[in-house]
Amino acid sequence: DVKVTQSSRYLVKRTGEKVFLECVQDMDHENMFWYRQDPGLGLRLIYFSYDVKMKEKGDIPEGYSVSREKKERFSLILESASTNQTSMYLCASSYGTSGSEQFFGPGTRLTVL
Amino acid sequence: DAKTTQPNSMESNEEEPVHLPCNHSTISGTDYIHWYRQLPSQGPEYVIHGLTSNVNNRMASLAIAEDRKSSTLILHRATLRDAAVYYCILRGVVRNFNKFYFGSGTKLNVKP
Repeated sequence: DVKVTQSSRYLVKRTGEKVFLECVQDMDHENMFWYRQDPGLGLRLIYFSYDVKMKEKGDIPEGYSVSREKKERFSLILESASTNQTSMYLCASSYGTSGSEQFFGPGTRLTVL
Repeated sequence: DAKTTQPNSMESNEEEPVHLPCNHSTISGTDYIHWYRQLPSQGPEYVIHGLTSNVNNRMASLAIAEDRKSSTLILHRATLRDAAVYYCILRGVVRNFNKFYFGSGTKLNVKP
């Protein structure tokens, strides 16, 4: 089975802190994605990556950056966390450019105080 | 960007069929229609997808209108485990990459 894991299920940080969210997939997928999920807004794409060291902005990239140094790992970075970044963060991965299914991790619930 | 519209919530009885509707009036000719569901405290999981023809798999059926402006996810016999938020999503291609457009979803409640 495809497995996507995220480093933490719950995380509490303070305003201004630098936050790293890690995602690892074990199926050699080319594509990886970071979403945030908020009540009433569904899932919104922050960034995605289609290859090592490659990245593309999603719909809401402001305040975030990403890193993909290895194929299996995709990191989301909050350079200076703010309270409006309190959210559920979901990582996903998929095959190639024509991949039809995204596999999601369990999510990280981040609270910024 | 193409978007989808779904009812906020629906209710069903256990072991009865459930029809979950979705409108996507601005769908383009190359957009695939995907359905995912999210069980409590989990990430979304794939259910089914299609382009023009109706599709069946072990989890559900997908009925797509002839003009493709709407679709319906059909769960043939709802179980308590099917209680989840169901997302109707359009998959488009942006600069050769697949992009998924998630809406707010329909929360399905299944009564015993």
